[in-house]
Amino acid sequence: DAGVIQSPRHEVTEMGQEVTLRCKPISGHDYLFWYRQTMMRGLELLIYFNNNVPIDDSGMPEDRFSAKMPNASFSTLKIQPSEPRDSAVYFCASGDSFNTEAFFGQGTRLTVV
Amino acid sequence: AQSVTQLDSQVPVFEEAPVELRCNYSSSVSVYLFWYVQYPNQGLQLLLKYLSGSTLVKGINGFEAEFNKSQTSFHLRKPSVHISDTAEYFCAGSTGTASKLTFGTGTRLQVTL
Repeated sequence: DAGVIQSPRHEVTEMGQEVTLRCKPISGHDYLFWYRQTMMRGLELLIYFNNNVPIDDSGMPEDRFSAKMPNASFSTLKIQPSEPRDSAVYFCASGDSFNTEAFFGQGTRLTVV
Repeated sequence: AQSVTQLDSQVPVFEEAPVELRCNYSSSVSVYLFWYVQYPNQGLQLLLKYLSGSTLVKGINGFEAEFNKSQTSFHLRKPSVHISDTAEYFCAGSTGTASKLTFGTGTRLQVTL
């Protein structure tokens, strides 16, 4: 398996624009997590899914953020409208019920100017 | 709620010297503990994990960690570091929900000649 695949690796956008981050989890994993990493706040869990259903979105900072998982092999994290303070590295991770660790993607570095 | 504390933000060390990265956790329920490593511009990679059983856990790249319940610690050690070990190290914990992790703030290990 190629691991967790995220796209794009880098994204630069202007304030006010919509941004969509994409994630393909490891095949067979039934958990998917979105994390955000910043210097100020470290690694924060934004939302996670189990069997494509959102379980906990309490980490989503504002209504400008939304996440979907239309099927077991794809998830998106959308920011609309984007703001400079959204600049961060966003990680997707997947896991399964039989193993406790999460497998991380390479991340998407988002810069909002 | 569980929290994970990494006391040192940076640890400088000479090559071939031993190193210990400190991690303390707080939890009132069963706990799983992890150490992840993040190389520059990369995602997080699992070094080792503690679920139950032997309190001394061995991981990849010669790292090991010891679970100490009385001191609520899970310190990471390596007897002899290499330049290639220079990276950010994250301690993380979960309380049972598969792979939902709470991360510490990270420790930057800087190995020099």
